Amino acid sequence: EDKVVQSPLSLVVHEGDTVTLNCSYEVTNFRSLLWYKQEKKAPTFLFMLTSSGIEKKSGRLSSILDKKELFSILNITATQTGDSAIYLCAVYNTGTASKLTFGTGTRLQVTL
Amino acid sequence: KAGVTQTPRYLIKTRGQQVTLSCSPISGHRSVSWYQQTPGQGLQFLFEYFSETQRNKGNFPGRFSGRQFSNSRSEMNVSTLELGDSALYLCASSSGMDTQYFGPGTRLTVL
Repeated sequence: EDKVVQSPLSLVVHEGDTVTLNCSYEVTNFRSLLWYKQEKKAPTFLFMLTSSGIEKKSGRLSSILDKKELFSILNITATQTGDSAIYLCAVYNTGTASKLTFGTGTRLQVTL
Repeated sequence: KAGVTQTPRYLIKTRGQQVTLSCSPISGHRSVSWYQQTPGQGLQFLFEYFSETQRNKGNFPGRFSGRQFSNSRSEMNVSTLELGDSALYLCASSSGMDTQYFGPGTRLTVL
């Protein structure tokens, strides 16, 4: 069965800190890995990664995938209180029964 | 483009009842997936519909069913509700590529 594990489960940091969120996976026939941010209700899309070693960047957020070691990290630099959310990692497999398997998320709280 | 919409946003039912939730995908998206989110289990895949056909199904009992209409709108039905069905039900649409865009969810409470 496909499995996605995120760590840490929760994290409290001060505004301005840099954080690294981890996602490891065991998926049959990996196709892509996605990161989402969930604040109140709907998860919002951040990144999709398919190739190893290529960093995706958007403002203060960046992410990279290691397909050999089966993990991804999400970095947030100069954190702000608006970054407080649950960050979800999900992995797509290939094939006719392809689906997104989610990790349980990392709850990030940024304090003043 | 308008985002994914879900109705109703909140629902309270009692055990044994049935419920139908609705999802309208982003215009042009033909794939709709449904997820159940609970504090203990996280986001769990229910099923995916593409062009009115169920393309994949998660590990949920047969009480959970769905369908998709020709305009890509989708409905999800849960029959004989149990207390454990209380959750946030999220719908996501996709153009067929991997990125899924989520709706605001329906919060179902079963008493």
